[in-house]
Amino acid sequence: DIQMTQSPSSLSASVGDRVTITCRASQNIGADLNWYQVKPGKAPKLLIRAASSLQSGVPARFSGSGSGTDFTLTISSLPPEDFAIYYCQQSYSTPLTFGGGTKVEIK
Amino acid sequence: QLQLQESGPGLVKPWETLSLTCSVSGGSISSSYSYWGWIRQPPGKGLEWIGSIYHSGSTYYNPSLESRVTMSVDTSKHQFSLKLNSLTAGDTALYYCARGFYTGNYWGFDYWGQGILVTVS
Repeated sequence: DIQMTQSPSSLSASVGDRVTITCRASQNIGADLNWYQVKPGKAPKLLIRAASSLQSGVPARFSGSGSGTDFTLTISSLPPEDFAIYYCQQSYSTPLTFGGGTKVEIK
Repeated sequence: QLQLQESGPGLVKPWETLSLTCSVSGGSISSSYSYWGWIRQPPGKGLEWIGSIYHSGSTYYNPSLESRVTMSVDTSKHQFSLKLNSLTAGDTALYYCARGFYTGNYWGFDYWGQGILVTVS
């Protein structure tokens, strides 16, 4: 199985901050990496597909980069509604696997 | 707008079988682009892919659960289902259904249900 490791596991940020989350794969996955936002009681939301493609309808403050084993999700300026947990997921091989999540909390 | 909704029991006993159904609306369950998946999240833990199914009935299961999982699809009812047997407390989780789309070799998930909390006790 491909292990996905996210860092940090949690972070505290203020409204307006630039936030960066890292995801590392245990082997080369090319660009087969997706990012999700999860809030309690809501359906998870796909943010980024194929490492850097913004999902339709997702605000441009979200961006993704990376290839191979190292990937990054960036929120350029954090609004109140983006305090949530973020997960990466590899779509390179089965079993599909997710990172452990990064909780973005209000400072 | 595609919508997915999970249904099933919220409480099941150890060693019993969990049966969940996902109802799909606003789009076709027989779409050639769609693989339908189940993902779960135990309390305080991360997301775990359980498996995916195509409208033809082809299935892909997580090897860690494969011996206990059965997925099926009913295109006439626009539903797909999950059965998980020999339940233990470790199967307590929020269960999501989702639509998978090909990105790379396999799938990401672009539409999700809100999830159903299943407690094994």
